Amino acid sequence: AQSVTQLDSQVPVFEEAPVELRCNYSSSVSVYLFWYVQYPNQGLQLLLKYLSGSTLVKGINGFEAEFNKSQTSFHLRKPSVHISDTAEYFCAVRGTSYGKLTFGQGTILTVHP
Amino acid sequence: DTEVTQTPKHLVMGMTNKKSLKCEQHMGHRAMYWYKQKAKKPPELMFVYSYEKLSINESVPSRFSPECPNSSLLNLHLHALQPEDSALYLCASSQGTSEDTQYFGPGTRLTVL
Repeated sequence: AQSVTQLDSQVPVFEEAPVELRCNYSSSVSVYLFWYVQYPNQGLQLLLKYLSGSTLVKGINGFEAEFNKSQTSFHLRKPSVHISDTAEYFCAVRGTSYGKLTFGQGTILTVHP
Repeated sequence: DTEVTQTPKHLVMGMTNKKSLKCEQHMGHRAMYWYKQKAKKPPELMFVYSYEKLSINESVPSRFSPECPNSSLLNLHLHALQPEDSALYLCASSQGTSEDTQYFGPGTRLTVL
């Protein structure tokens, strides 16, 4: 079984500032890792994923994340945020041989002008 | 094309009504999922269909009845729901392979009166 901890429930930040949303996971097996974004009253949109290979993963909208196996982390970063990045962000993990996604509790990113 | 469509967008129903939620994907995906998402919570898995067969039922009450008529369509039949069933219902699909990624629809906002 896997578990995901998103360390911050809310992250306020000013426009054009950098941001990091933290995600730690626990698993007894190898995992795949995902970040999804959910805008108000919408479904989840895939931002990026780590399956294998380079531990630095680039996604849509200028986001990137780094897989750190020793620290069991998959933190999401963006060097300069926009107002339009205001949304809820979910980190998710799945075992490599099993299809059930386990989500973290979500981090609400609020970008202020 | 990574689009999953869901209808209706909003649904209000009484506790004695019968209604259905519909989900469609044309990406050739062979796995489809229903999730329930309450406000300020992550999605909770309800059902998984793999190659048109129900493979996972997360102990969902029988008032929710899934159906997969073909590989592109997924329905969720609702009957005798309770007010606490009010939530955003999300459909997702994936290729059904070991490295697959789930793509989500926009959801149906259900209100049970």
